Amino acid sequence: DQQVKQNSPSLSVQEGRISILNCDYTNSMFDYFLWYKKYPAEGPTFLISISSIKDKNEDGRFTVFLNKSAKHLSLHIVPSQPGDSAVYFCAASAGNYGQNFVFGPGTRLSVLP
Amino acid sequence: KAGVTQTPRYLIKTRGQQVTLSCSPISGHRSVSWYQQTPGQGLQFLFEYFSETQRNKGNFPGRFSGRQFSNSRSEMNVSTLELGDSALYLCASSLDTFRGMTEAFFGQGTRLTVV
Repeated sequence: DQQVKQNSPSLSVQEGRISILNCDYTNSMFDYFLWYKKYPAEGPTFLISISSIKDKNEDGRFTVFLNKSAKHLSLHIVPSQPGDSAVYFCAASAGNYGQNFVFGPGTRLSVLP
Repeated sequence: KAGVTQTPRYLIKTRGQQVTLSCSPISGHRSVSWYQQTPGQGLQFLFEYFSETQRNKGNFPGRFSGRQFSNSRSEMNVSTLELGDSALYLCASSLDTFRGMTEAFFGQGTRLTVV
């Protein structure tokens, strides 16, 4: 049973527009969420995180929104740039003891020039 | 500041053999986790080590084991290799604090191919 879901395997967006990547989770014990970006042949790179005590966290062009009641989070990238083209993983963890993340399957974002 | 270093980058082994992968975390990071990435299963958590002790463990068979040394460097061992063990093995280190979760920084991974 997938505890973290990213239902869109791929997404294409025009350069300069907003990219919205979605993530749903089933485990209500998850209280820390992260987004990672991955290029081919490289390890995932941390983008942004959010704790369950917040509903929004912003870092430059990246904003993560958390809706706890819907068990849903989203990553907004504004404006999208061609260099943002990569696979984006949503990850979640329960509790504050130990670094044990459950990853979603990823969404491949293509930003078209 | 140097990132997470994994060696070797690529490895080819034969079924039945064993393999040891190495991970050097970011200086000052005491938590090291291992993940397996395959096209069909995505990123799956193997185990986490903190202060030389295994703190968390995923749902992998006992053929997968690891250890952490006093300098926080970690090794992962897979015995009796199977074809299905072919994957990208990723190591991640974290600055574990009393305030709870922090982000994990990943290495580039070791691509293991079992033939």
